[in-house]
Amino acid sequence: EDQVTQSPEALRLQEGESSSLNCSYTVSGLRGLFWYRQDPGKGPEFLFTLYSAGEEKEKERLKATLTKKESFLHITAPKPEDSATYLCAVLGWGSYNTDKLIFGTGTRLQVFP
Amino acid sequence: DSGVTQTPKHLITATGQRVTLRCSPRSGDLSVYWYQQSLDQGLQFLIQYYNGEERAKGNILERFSAQQFPDLHSELNLSSLELGDSALYFCASSVDTGGRTGELFFGEGSRLTVL
Repeated sequence: EDQVTQSPEALRLQEGESSSLNCSYTVSGLRGLFWYRQDPGKGPEFLFTLYSAGEEKEKERLKATLTKKESFLHITAPKPEDSATYLCAVLGWGSYNTDKLIFGTGTRLQVFP
Repeated sequence: DSGVTQTPKHLITATGQRVTLRCSPRSGDLSVYWYQQSLDQGLQFLIQYYNGEERAKGNILERFSAQQFPDLHSELNLSSLELGDSALYFCASSVDTGGRTGELFFGEGSRLTVL
């Protein structure tokens, strides 16, 4: 069964203190791995898609990387406005009418000034 | 603003009742997804529709049903409500040009409280 595990559950950083969030996955053939950001009381907002091991994507202070078993979301010199829950999701090569996007439970990031 | 509209934003009802949640996808998106988010379980996939047809089904209870109309808006019907159904219900849409995608655009959600 496809599974996504994110760690840590929560992370508190000082402004400017770089760190990484982890997403480990088990899927029967990876079609894509996706990162989302969710602010409290809001819907998730799409950030990145990664398709194959070795791929990297960057957006402002965020960089996502992918290996065959896990993905990392690196946050460089974070600012308070980066505080949010970061969700990881995978899409596998299931049968056409049953494959679905599986989300992890997220890492809640708080960045303090 | 993702372009996905959900109504109502908040809903308070009693156990045993029935409610309908409504979703208008982004202009041009053919796929609509419904997700349930509760504090202890994260985002759980319920069901997906593509151009009016059911495409994929997740952990959707028999008390719940959904449909997508010809104008592509979708409704999620929740009946015989229980306390445990209290959650945020999200609708998402995607372009989904034949292949599957994980790039979804989510609405702001409908917060359901069952008392």
